Amino acid sequence: SAVISQKPSRDICQRGTSLTIQCQVDSQVTMMFWYRQQPGQSLTLIATANQGSEATYESGFVIDKFPISRPNLTFSTLTVSNMSPEDSSIYLCSVSKGDTGELFFGEGSRLTVL
Amino acid sequence: ELKVEQNPLFLSMQEGKNYTIYCNYSTTSDRLYWYRQDPGKSLESLFVLLSNGAVKQEGRLMASLDTKARLSTLHITAAVHDLSATYFCADFMNYGGSQGNLIFGKGTKLSVKP
Repeated sequence: SAVISQKPSRDICQRGTSLTIQCQVDSQVTMMFWYRQQPGQSLTLIATANQGSEATYESGFVIDKFPISRPNLTFSTLTVSNMSPEDSSIYLCSVSKGDTGELFFGEGSRLTVL
Repeated sequence: ELKVEQNPLFLSMQEGKNYTIYCNYSTTSDRLYWYRQDPGKSLESLFVLLSNGAVKQEGRLMASLDTKARLSTLHITAAVHDLSATYFCADFMNYGGSQGNLIFGKGTKLSVKP
């Protein structure tokens, strides 16, 4: 398994501002994933972050809105830029360890945009 | 289009009863995952099913996988209140080797009443 720490755990933000979420893993991992979970909804993959390369974004998500950094094998950040109330969600960092494809999730960062 | 469909989406059960949650997926993947999410919490991995015919059991929960039918089931035996949560199934999207990400169903919100 993996121990994944996310910061902040929750925040209330003003419209038009940006917030950076940090994700720290207790061991080195190749791929890190950022998911969004809107209230009462399922999880949607935002992007896949590999160390040393640009993040790969899923359809409907763009780098200008959700820039991602992956400076090393244990850390990543996701920024939610120019926030609007529609960005109010839980943002989850996850990693895959071992060869089963199983994902392990951080505790999530709950953002409320006013 | 990649799809993971769960049903039912809402399930209200009485304690002591049995029920099954169904998960249909659209890929040719031979892997399927079940997660549990408690309100306000992150996702906890329940089962990793890695081949056709795989069956895993943990307590009152049993998961199975039929890759030919592209169907997984999560069977609940003699439900208790502690099982109240949202259950997600997820299909594996392979990037190559053992690496990939997960595509989640909409979740089944289970409520077990005395």
